[in-house]
Amino acid sequence: AQSVTQLDSQVPVFEEAPVELRCNYSSSVSVYLFWYVQYPNQGLQLLLKYLSGSTLVKGINGFEAEFNKSQTSFHLRKPSVHISDTAEYFCAVSELTGGGNKLTFGTGTQLKVEL
Amino acid sequence: GAGVSQSPSNKVTEKGKDVELRCDPISGHTALYWYRQSLGQGLEFLIYFQGNSAPDKSGLPSDRFSAERTGGSVSTLTIQRTQQEDSAVYLCASSLLDRNYGYTFGSGTRLTVV
Repeated sequence: AQSVTQLDSQVPVFEEAPVELRCNYSSSVSVYLFWYVQYPNQGLQLLLKYLSGSTLVKGINGFEAEFNKSQTSFHLRKPSVHISDTAEYFCAVSELTGGGNKLTFGTGTQLKVEL
Repeated sequence: GAGVSQSPSNKVTEKGKDVELRCDPISGHTALYWYRQSLGQGLEFLIYFQGNSAPDKSGLPSDRFSAERTGGSVSTLTIQRTQQEDSAVYLCASSLLDRNYGYTFGSGTRLTVV
């Protein structure tokens, strides 16, 4: 069965500083990988996804993530954060075979951007 | 519609009562999913509908939970004899194709059982 680990429950960072949110997954087969963002009192919004091809994927709002198969990681990065990036971020995985058609989510990382 | 619509946005109910939560997916999306988001526990998969196939109910936590999808569109999640541990945000999502393109989520229904 697939699983996702987000080791950091909270990440405080100053505005304009870089940030990395970590995500590791476990699966016995190939996977699709996703990052979602949830702003307060809103649903989840897709930030970016890795399906195949280039391991570096770019998403909305200046975020990017790199798929590392050997380390089973899909860390999210942004070179310079803004106050408006304060939100909760979820990493998710979907297996290509078996496992049904559902996403498995991590427990989320709360990013708090401070002045 | 333009997005996934969920109603009500907030629901407070007494322990032991039944509740119904509604989800209107994006028009034309064949797949529909229900997740539960509890504080500090991430998103928990509940149930998945794909076209006319039998739903994947593997995530439903007990037989008090059920869901249906009428006409391949609107879905209703029903919780019978609610318990305090059912308090959570219930999120619905839909997608055009399974997995590949990610889901579009609704804003959720916040259920509070008192």
